[in-house]
Amino acid sequence: DQQVKQNSPSLSVQEGRISILNCDYTNSMFDYFLWYKKYPAEGPTFLISISSIKDKNEDGRFTVFLNKSAKHLSLHIVPSQPGDSAVYFCAASLTSGTYKYIFGTGTRLKVLA
Amino acid sequence: DGGITQSPKYLFRKEGQNVTLSCEQNLNHDAMYWYRQDPGQGLRLIYYSQIVNDFQKGDIAEGYSVSREKKESFPLTVTSAQKNPTAFYLCASRRQGGEKLFFGSGTQLSVL
Repeated sequence: DQQVKQNSPSLSVQEGRISILNCDYTNSMFDYFLWYKKYPAEGPTFLISISSIKDKNEDGRFTVFLNKSAKHLSLHIVPSQPGDSAVYFCAASLTSGTYKYIFGTGTRLKVLA
Repeated sequence: DGGITQSPKYLFRKEGQNVTLSCEQNLNHDAMYWYRQDPGQGLRLIYYSQIVNDFQKGDIAEGYSVSREKKESFPLTVTSAQKNPTAFYLCASRRQGGEKLFFGSGTQLSVL
């Protein structure tokens, strides 16, 4: 049973345009969500996060939106740059109790110059 | 510089052999985690530890074992019972009260 899903394995976007990466979850008890960026053969690096009590968090070119009723979050990158090309993982956690982090399967973003 | 060090970067296992992956952190973080990445399957949780001398099974703990004798170290042993060990293994840590996981650079394990 996959609790965190990223249904788009890949996405291609033109440089300068908006990239939108999506993530769905099934457990309404998750209270914190994170996005990570990963290059091949390297560890993931943290990008941006959001608490379940918020619906939007912004950091420079990156914005995360959370829709709790739909159990859906998205990462917007504006403007997209070639250096953004990587695999993006969303993760959900229960920060009270177990502190387990469940990751999605990732979306490979390719930004075309 | 503070960080998480995983070693070795590449590791080869023979049939029936146990191998141990090292994870050391100097961030003074309390919690540590082991994940496995397979192509197209994202990161799956193997084991995690919130404090020294305590750890819990994750979603795919069978065939693996861990220890947490020191705060800065969380080694993972891949035993001969793990029939499909080829994967990229990632160690992560989190400070007490924090929400972010910080990751090491990973170990690629392959079977000879």
